[in-house]
Amino acid sequence: GQQLNQSPQSMFIQEGEDVSMNCTSSSIFNTWLWYKQDPGEGPVLLIALYKAGELTSNGRLTAQFGITRKDSFLNISASIPSDVGIYFCAGPSSGSARQLTFGSGTQLTVLP
Amino acid sequence: EAEVAQSPRYKITEKSQAVAFWCDPISGHATLYWYRQILGQGPELLVQFQDESVVDDSQLPKDRFSAERLKGVDSTLKIQPAELGDSAMYLCASSIGPTRGEKLFFGSGTQLSVL
Repeated sequence: GQQLNQSPQSMFIQEGEDVSMNCTSSSIFNTWLWYKQDPGEGPVLLIALYKAGELTSNGRLTAQFGITRKDSFLNISASIPSDVGIYFCAGPSSGSARQLTFGSGTQLTVLP
Repeated sequence: EAEVAQSPRYKITEKSQAVAFWCDPISGHATLYWYRQILGQGPELLVQFQDESVVDDSQLPKDRFSAERLKGVDSTLKIQPAELGDSAMYLCASSIGPTRGEKLFFGSGTQLSVL
């Protein structure tokens, strides 16, 4: 089945720093989604991307749909303590049921 | 803001016991999903409902897991008997429909510990 590889697996950064993470796939995706999961909670949708090359922002977060359609990037500018959590990329399967496949996540820790 | 409701938040059980989780999706959402998330991994789909019908349960261990959505609204996921390897977060999610299934709204999950 489709697999999504996220890197890095974990990041430790200082408050105020910018963060970059990415997600790659062995197959083409028509949609890329980025979710954030706080400890003990379900994932929350941050950004949805629907077109190759698309660049979309949500506050301090910016995500890009790679032009090869096999990758996506998420950037966080000027990190703050509440950015701590696990960031997942996800994409819909190619089947008719349109289910989501999730990456394994990037664990972000923001140090004061 | 509408939310997906799940209960209980936490469940501790002994192996071989039965457990059940409940989910109430966002009103009007026809598609409901149950995901399992093992610590350190992303969520993995167990079962997908469209209204009251199962669309996909290919990843559901049917010898011990069952899921139903009798009236096409809320849903129950059951495990009987529970095994040690079932310890995980069980997440329910809903969406307006399968064509927009990529925009999932998740509940807070049920954290299951099997002792």
